[in-house]
Amino acid sequence: GQNIDQPTEMTATEGAIVQINCTYQTSGFNGLFWYQQHAGEAPTFLSYNVLDGLEEKGRFSSFLSRSKGYSYLLLKELQMKDSASYLCAFRGATNKLIFGTGTLLAVQP
Amino acid sequence: DGGITQSPKYLFRKEGQNVTLSCEQNLNHDAMYWYRQDPGQGLRLIYYSQIVNDFQKGDIAEGYSVSREKKESFPLTVTSAQKNPTAFYLCASGQGAGNTIYFGEGSWLTVV
Repeated sequence: GQNIDQPTEMTATEGAIVQINCTYQTSGFNGLFWYQQHAGEAPTFLSYNVLDGLEEKGRFSSFLSRSKGYSYLLLKELQMKDSASYLCAFRGATNKLIFGTGTLLAVQP
Repeated sequence: DGGITQSPKYLFRKEGQNVTLSCEQNLNHDAMYWYRQDPGQGLRLIYYSQIVNDFQKGDIAEGYSVSREKKESFPLTVTSAQKNPTAFYLCASGQGAGNTIYFGEGSWLTVV
């Protein structure tokens, strides 16, 4: 079957680094996405990994290990505006896009 | 402007009525998706379409229907058979494997 899991909530301090983990199980795989979603708004795209390794984009980086069914999103130099839900999703063989429940990140001063 | 447009932004429906949510994209994307999000919850897939005139059920298709007669349009009808339709509905599109998927701004549906 298909399954995706990420922590429900995390708390971090402004200026620090936080890593949000995501594990998944699927028979077909066409990439792993990370989105940011502020309350009451639509998700905005952060990153897309289809090959193993680390993709860096400014303060945000995303890592993928296909053999382990594992990804993480790394946020550096945290700012208060980074307080949001972070959604992990994988695209299966038929382009079906399945989301985890999201990780609510609270950044504290 | 290029992008994904959902309408209406806010919609109120009486119990027993069908309602159709619009999703239009001018990005020339092949794949389109409809998700439902309840407060404090993740996104659940209702229907998705990989190509014109074809679509597949997602995990919670009961009480919903879609059509894909044109590449740029993927409307979602919430029927009276959907027992708890109050939610935030999100439409997304993408070019297929290897490409990013983007979201529209969403539609809030409230049953009164």
